[in-house]
Amino acid sequence: DAKTTQPTSMDCAEGRAANLPCNHSTISGNEYVYWYRQIHSQGPQYIIHGLKNNETNEMASLIITEDRKSSTLILPHATLRDTAVYYCIVTDKLIFGTGTRLQVFP
Amino acid sequence: SAVISQKPSRDICQRGTSLTIQCQVDSQVTMMFWYRQQPGQSLTLIATANQGSEATYESGFVIDKFPISRPNLTFSTLTVSNMSPEDSSIYLCSIWTDTYEQYFGPGTRLTVT
Repeated sequence: DAKTTQPTSMDCAEGRAANLPCNHSTISGNEYVYWYRQIHSQGPQYIIHGLKNNETNEMASLIITEDRKSSTLILPHATLRDTAVYYCIVTDKLIFGTGTRLQVFP
Repeated sequence: SAVISQKPSRDICQRGTSLTIQCQVDSQVTMMFWYRQQPGQSLTLIATANQGSEATYESGFVIDKFPISRPNLTFSTLTVSNMSPEDSSIYLCSIWTDTYEQYFGPGTRLTVT
């Protein structure tokens, strides 16, 4: 089982923030939350990961709720090149679910 | 980050034959993984390959069908044996760094006819 639930698809206007939610209600105390994206025909790309605290890097921000049962990936200024399938994973074996297909439109 | 290369990038193979996919990393890593991504699907973990130990296979995958070698900390191979059209997929190797970041190779696109 993937242990995560994500919306199948989302749209976002170029230049706006894209907020991608993920539910992981069965996460255990020592499991990290990872986010990846996959652009068509390419290998998945690591974006960010976190355990309890919110994290930010040059690509995105990760907001994890206090109970750790859900998280949100934030792309602060979405571009057309951010169109991809985004995966949220919370198992130490990094088992992928079906992800969210984000479409950024002009 | 890490640079991961795979060979071949793609291949078309006949039913019943075997193909060995190579994965090379530009740095030493302990944990390597092999995934399969069938057309239009998400990634499925095949096995974990740590240097110095036997590969650990996920449910539905067996060593006879997908033998893996991990001779050193920068290299691994996955063999797809006795192929059938159902094995047509993209096969990806992946590494996990000591800062818990995971990186993927570009994938090997396999078509079995």
